[in-house]
Amino acid sequence: NAGVTQTPKFQVLKTGQSMTLQCAQDMNHNSMYWYRQDPGMGLRLIYYSASEGTTDKGEVPNGYNVSRLNKREFSLRLESAAPSQTSVYFCASSTRDRVMDEQYFGPGTRLTVT
Amino acid sequence: DQQVKQNSPSLSVQEGRISILNCDYTNSMFDYFLWYKKYPAEGPTFLISISSIKDKNEDGRFTVFLNKSAKHLSLHIVPSQPGDSAVYFCAASAGYGGATNKLIFGTGTLLAVQP
Repeated sequence: NAGVTQTPKFQVLKTGQSMTLQCAQDMNHNSMYWYRQDPGMGLRLIYYSASEGTTDKGEVPNGYNVSRLNKREFSLRLESAAPSQTSVYFCASSTRDRVMDEQYFGPGTRLTVT
Repeated sequence: DQQVKQNSPSLSVQEGRISILNCDYTNSMFDYFLWYKKYPAEGPTFLISISSIKDKNEDGRFTVFLNKSAKHLSLHIVPSQPGDSAVYFCAASAGYGGATNKLIFGTGTLLAVQP
């Protein structure tokens, strides 16, 4: 099992460009999450999907859209990238949408917006 | 407003000694707490958790203590090993037993275990 995979690992964008970060899990998990990690800020939840077909906003959703394509895949889209979106993005998944369920994280995507 | 605070950005400990990582929170609605460990260029991995109905949870070398009145929790690692060197994140949620799975993370503490 690969667990949670993310592509790409690194990306540099110019302000105003768009891109989609891809995430897939092979653990048959119902819930998936997108976080961003910034220096001195810890990890902050952007969006999550409790189950296939549902998505909800997290702590910092502005400037992002998500798609739960199927049970395995959960993508994060930046429609018009801004320098404030320079960050490391982590995707995670868990068996159910309950906090006590361990979340498994992918290796991250390091995004720089110039 | 930082609801979960890890006031020590870094900690250095000798191999074999105890490592104590601290975490404070401000939201009295938090009722479930987790610790994650993160190596460079990897995603966080779950370490240990505790619900508010307990004051201690132990798993091998790792023990988490919860002091609800002080809104404080700590992670003890005994004995510390060089492989424990990583960033440790504390996380909290107000959703125990409910439907929400939203975690609030602290800013992390970098632990360095010296051989």
